[in-house]
Amino acid sequence: SQQGEEDPQALSIQEGENATMNCSYKTSINNLQWYRQNSGRGLVHLILIRSNEREKHSGRLRVTLDTSKKSSSLLITASRAADTASYFCATSGTYKYIFGTGTRLKVLA
Amino acid sequence: GAGVSQSPSNKVTEKGKDVELRCDPISGHTALYWYRQSLGQGLEFLIYFQGNSAPDKSGLPSDRFSAERTGGSVSTLTIQRTQQEDSAVYLCASSAQDRGEEKLFFGSGTQLSVL
Repeated sequence: SQQGEEDPQALSIQEGENATMNCSYKTSINNLQWYRQNSGRGLVHLILIRSNEREKHSGRLRVTLDTSKKSSSLLITASRAADTASYFCATSGTYKYIFGTGTRLKVLA
Repeated sequence: GAGVSQSPSNKVTEKGKDVELRCDPISGHTALYWYRQSLGQGLEFLIYFQGNSAPDKSGLPSDRFSAERTGGSVSTLTIQRTQQEDSAVYLCASSAQDRGEEKLFFGSGTQLSVL
């Protein structure tokens, strides 16, 4: 399978703490994106990092990319209960986006 | 429309029946993707359209699955002779370039239950 792997599969933290999730992929990429999914339905795009970038920030999100290790991490700082969701990384290859298995994040109020 | 629209939202069918799922992408988006997501799992790629043509059909699980897109807009995913293992959420996404970066916009999905 070309599907990426994410870890941890599930993460439970207290509101205000930081959440870190990791993604590993298998093929060469043009860019890597992170998406969020609430309630098992449509995904929402969060952030994109290009293959020639190492780090990118957007609000409370920080993404890193290590192409030599084929891995990326997503850090959510100062988490809120509303951040509770599943988070997926997606890598772009020829014609399609390959999604990881996802991390289920639960932020406890 | 304002976003990607999928219909029906939920579909319950009997094993062996055919079903048709519809996706209406964001106006002007030339690329369209279908994914399948089983409960608690990641997204499984099914098919990609650029305009009306499908350069990548590699993800279709079997010949019971087919998809078409007309007028560079609406797409339908058809599953013939449905099986219980076809039960999943079927997600459609369209994409556009935003400052040189492409990102996917997803619909809310169709929850398919095969009894």
